[in-house]
Amino acid sequence: NAGVTQTPKFQVLKTGQSMTLQCAQDMNHNSMYWYRQDPGMGLRLIYYSASEGTTDKGEVPNGYNVSRLNKREFSLRLESAAPSQTSVYFCASNPGLGTGELFFGEGSRLTVL
Amino acid sequence: AQSVSQHNHHVILSEAASLELGCNYSYGGTVNLFWYVQYPGQHLQLLLKYFSGDPLVKGIKGFEAEFIKSKFSFNLRKPSVQWSDTAEYFCAALTGGGNKLTFGTGTQLKVEL
Repeated sequence: NAGVTQTPKFQVLKTGQSMTLQCAQDMNHNSMYWYRQDPGMGLRLIYYSASEGTTDKGEVPNGYNVSRLNKREFSLRLESAAPSQTSVYFCASNPGLGTGELFFGEGSRLTVL
Repeated sequence: AQSVSQHNHHVILSEAASLELGCNYSYGGTVNLFWYVQYPGQHLQLLLKYFSGDPLVKGIKGFEAEFIKSKFSFNLRKPSVQWSDTAEYFCAALTGGGNKLTFGTGTQLKVEL
């Protein structure tokens, strides 16, 4: 019973490099989300996908792109990483329809040097 | 835009002490409220949620929260904390279209033996 799976769990990048964080859920949920967590700032929504085929910006979308590849998978891409993107990234999913409860992955710790 | 405020950023308690963590939201319409917990090194888990009905909501591990509409508050309480309650606690609100959860900045709780 995997739930929400994120890869990689740890990554170190140099400024300007690109990378993609992968997320997959096996709960047949409609909605998926990417958050970043920074000390003293809580969780901030980067992008979300309310349903397959749709994506929308959250609070802090600059510097990121997303792809909802299918119902299961939602990836987050950093095209040109910056030190300000050093953070812990969480993917989450939700059945949709305003149920509210999010199911989180274990997080991906990204360091940009 | 809606916002969620958690005024206690760090709380230190002794075991068996009572706990109350504050949460206020700014939104005048229908709102669904949540408390999530993040134990050290783990991902976020749902502690409890309020959608409608009885404003006193009971969650897992002896936690409860009271929705007070007139005060725009949803404070988390526990009569007697344990060392294992050491964690970060996040209040969150779901409003409007019901697709995006807005989190507070979190409260770090440390319970000392």
